[in-house]
Amino acid sequence: EAGVTQFPSHSVIEKGQTVTLRCDPISGHDNLYWYRRVMGKEIKFLLHFVKESKQDESGMPNNRFLAERTGGTYSTLKVQPAELEDSGVYFCASSQRQGVFNYGYTFGSGTRLTVV
Amino acid sequence: AQKITQTQPGMFVQEKEAVTLDCTYDTSDQSYGLFWYKQPSSGEMIFLIYQGSYDEQNATEGRYSLNFQKARKSANLVISASQLGDSAMYFCAMREGAQKLVFGQGTRLTINP
Repeated sequence: EAGVTQFPSHSVIEKGQTVTLRCDPISGHDNLYWYRRVMGKEIKFLLHFVKESKQDESGMPNNRFLAERTGGTYSTLKVQPAELEDSGVYFCASSQRQGVFNYGYTFGSGTRLTVV
Repeated sequence: AQKITQTQPGMFVQEKEAVTLDCTYDTSDQSYGLFWYKQPSSGEMIFLIYQGSYDEQNATEGRYSLNFQKARKSANLVISASQLGDSAMYFCAMREGAQKLVFGQGTRLTINP
């Protein structure tokens, strides 16, 4: 099966611009997660979708970040307007079901965002 | 809140030697799951091994094993017979609450020939 796909793989934008990141989960995976790693720090949770609904968005840093998952398939994460501190690697992961302690998280390769 | 600590920012190991990557965690939950991921230079996050809090046996997956010491709240990753391809970032993570993972800061492992 195809893995979790993220694009673009890299994005360089100027402060104040808008960027949209996309994640295509594994087909049939209802759960989709966004994480990010800011330079030198740990990977942090942003939000979790179950199908098209936001299950947990407690990690979203502020209202400049907007995540959507149309029809419960792919997801987009929009940053508008981008700030310098938004630079980092944004990861998407998906899992098939809400197992209790399953290890069925599959991560994408990430999008490296650089805001200049 | 749950927390993961990886105290080794970087490690250098000779090829074919065994290596232990440290991970300690803090949680008040009785039920939890611990994960190790590998991130090579290509960027993808590769799942390595999983340990459930109620698992009595240490998890093993090929050359990877997890030294789970529940009382000490540690979940160290052991890689036996290291290979050049093991050079990567390694992240320890814990499943928090319903679904999300909490990650440590990562350890950059370099295998020298």
